[in-house]
Amino acid sequence: AQSVTQLDSHVSVSEGTPVLLRCNYSSSYSPSLFWYVQHPNKGLQLLLKYTSAATLVKGINGFEAEFKKSETSFHLTKPSAHMSDAAEYFCVVPRDDKIIFGKGTRLHILP
Amino acid sequence: DAGITQSPRHKVTETGTPVTLRCHQTENHRYMYWYRQDPGHGLRLIHYSYGVKDTDKGEVSDGYSVSRSKTEDFLLTLESATSSQTSVYFCAISDPLSGTEQYFGPGTRLTVT
Repeated sequence: AQSVTQLDSHVSVSEGTPVLLRCNYSSSYSPSLFWYVQHPNKGLQLLLKYTSAATLVKGINGFEAEFKKSETSFHLTKPSAHMSDAAEYFCVVPRDDKIIFGKGTRLHILP
Repeated sequence: DAGITQSPRHKVTETGTPVTLRCHQTENHRYMYWYRQDPGHGLRLIHYSYGVKDTDKGEVSDGYSVSRSKTEDFLLTLESATSSQTSVYFCAISDPLSGTEQYFGPGTRLTVT
């Protein structure tokens, strides 16, 4: 069954430096994959989605993710972190009528 | 943003009382979901609906019931609230015809005292 594993529960980066949030997936075929962001005391917002059209997916707020089948990975990146990026990020895979969440990575931005 | 609203946004209630949370959508999406989010547990699916009057249980459905009498509204009822049901509740919608991603409402913070 499809599942995702987020490799880091917390990531800290300095403002202006690159962001890398790691996600590995488990699936017998190339699945759809999503990244969601949740800012403090807010709902979840879809950041970007992969649906097999292109392996490099661009999302909102300068984020992008690359689907790598050989590595079963879907890591989220951003070239330059901003203070407003501080949030929790979830890697998600659909399964049947539902979606399966990774455990989340909390991103801290250091001034 | 997807047109999803939740009401109330905050509620404090006493143990043993019934509580109903409402999710309303203006997107005409077929699927609707209720989740709860708790520290250390992430988001857990309570119930979902795949059409009017069609619902199914999620992984933490005990103590909760749902109803969907029209496409735009999905109600979550706590029959007799307990302190363990203190949580933040999120509603989500999806349309399988356009994709499997879900769109989330702003959440309801429920405190059971």
